[in-house]
Amino acid sequence: RKEVEQDPGPFNVPEGATVAFNCTYSNSASQSFFWYRQDCRKEPKLLMSVYSSGNEDGRFTAQLNRASQYISLLIRDSKLSDSATYLCVVLPSGGSYIPTFGRGTSLIVHP
Amino acid sequence: GAGVSQSPSNKVTEKGKDVELRCDPISGHTALYWYRQRLGQGLEFLIYFQGNSAPDKSGLPSDRFSAERTGESVSTLTIQRTQQEDSAVYLCASSSTQAEAFFGQGTRLTVV
Repeated sequence: RKEVEQDPGPFNVPEGATVAFNCTYSNSASQSFFWYRQDCRKEPKLLMSVYSSGNEDGRFTAQLNRASQYISLLIRDSKLSDSATYLCVVLPSGGSYIPTFGRGTSLIVHP
Repeated sequence: GAGVSQSPSNKVTEKGKDVELRCDPISGHTALYWYRQRLGQGLEFLIYFQGNSAPDKSGLPSDRFSAERTGESVSTLTIQRTQQEDSAVYLCASSSTQAEAFFGQGTRLTVV
């Protein structure tokens, strides 16, 4: 089993739609979780951290389910500019703090 | 500087040549990472530096790859005797301990 798994998509949605991505991780001792966004031929950029209680940033909501070892990202009222690849990132606790990246989920928002 | 800086941004080299890639992390960040991303693929971990501790080299694909970092400053990734399969974007990131990583714009390496 891969350490961090994501559905590669692509998710093809119209503007204004709500879309959700899930990501599962294998290391139950993982401590920190993030969602990154990567535009075509660009570097990954932090979208938001994921907190145990769930957190929201404008149209974006992130949630963590430790029992089932998955995190989710919900995007409401999708914009054309949301088209990108969304990377799930998991940081283990103890030892080497090496962020492990999922392969990413591709989102295409069309008019 | 304000962000992670990598140079060169693009590098074309002939098969068999050595290349050196440079990364300037965000000032004060103790952790520095190198990743590789092949076209259409995910990020592949290469090496991790944390302060003055011994680096975690577990991701380096072969002994042709090596990296150095002086203290908590600049890092260089060296690829010796480049092969065509080394063609990829090499991304450097830095972070404070257990915090989110910030990436440079990457070096796009093409081996011809």
